[in-house]
Amino acid sequence: QLQIQESGPGLVEPSETLSLTCSVSGDSIDGSKFYWDWIRQPPGKGLEWIGGLHYSGTTSYNPSLKSRVTISVDTSKNQLALKLRSVRASDSALYYCVRRCCFFDSGSRPSWFDPWGQGTLVTVPS
Amino acid sequence: QSALTQPRSVSGSPGQSVTISCTGTSSDVGGYDYVSWYQQHPGKAPKVMIFDVTRRPSGVPDRFSGSRSGNTASLTITGLHAEDEADYYCCSYAGSYTVVFGGGTKLTVL
Repeated sequence: QLQIQESGPGLVEPSETLSLTCSVSGDSIDGSKFYWDWIRQPPGKGLEWIGGLHYSGTTSYNPSLKSRVTISVDTSKNQLALKLRSVRASDSALYYCVRRCCFFDSGSRPSWFDPWGQGTLVTVPS
Repeated sequence: QSALTQPRSVSGSPGQSVTISCTGTSSDVGGYDYVSWYQQHPGKAPKVMIFDVTRRPSGVPDRFSGSRSGNTASLTITGLHAEDEADYYCCSYAGSYTVVFGGGTKLTVL
């Protein structure tokens, strides 16, 4: 059974870099059918897609965050990583790691998320 | 890439039906057959209820259904149950492997 676990510091100072890790068990990140993504949710607010990665190295990012975000993969550890630079208070959120389905064929466009991790809360003080 | 538009809240009584709309553009909702819907209870991670506009994952009750007309997708819940009270989010593929979410709708079961 696939399990996803996010981890990282709960508090990041303004202007610093937020670094989170997503550990995956029960499935291999380098399976060709899936993308792996980060999604965040500020307290009491809605979901915001941050970006995603295919194990081949293909990445896609939210245009509004693209200049500050890097998503990478360590296949030897079966882990996904997120780095968000120059953080501010508005980056405070619950950060989710998710698997995005699926590349069924050359025309597929993976677009739905399942399963989700439990999320890790990051606070950036104002 | 702008967020999809959803009503802030909807409500219905047990047994009734409700529909939640999700309006985008021809560059997302109207341009691809890749709209999904998520249910989120307080303190829990979201759960996919509908994918590819109309498809239901195994285990999701058939009371939940999805549809689309032009640039607007809809989630309909028939025969409301108390446990359906939650926040609901739509999501659409938006090209180049990007996706965009709606702002979310709070469903209240009266």
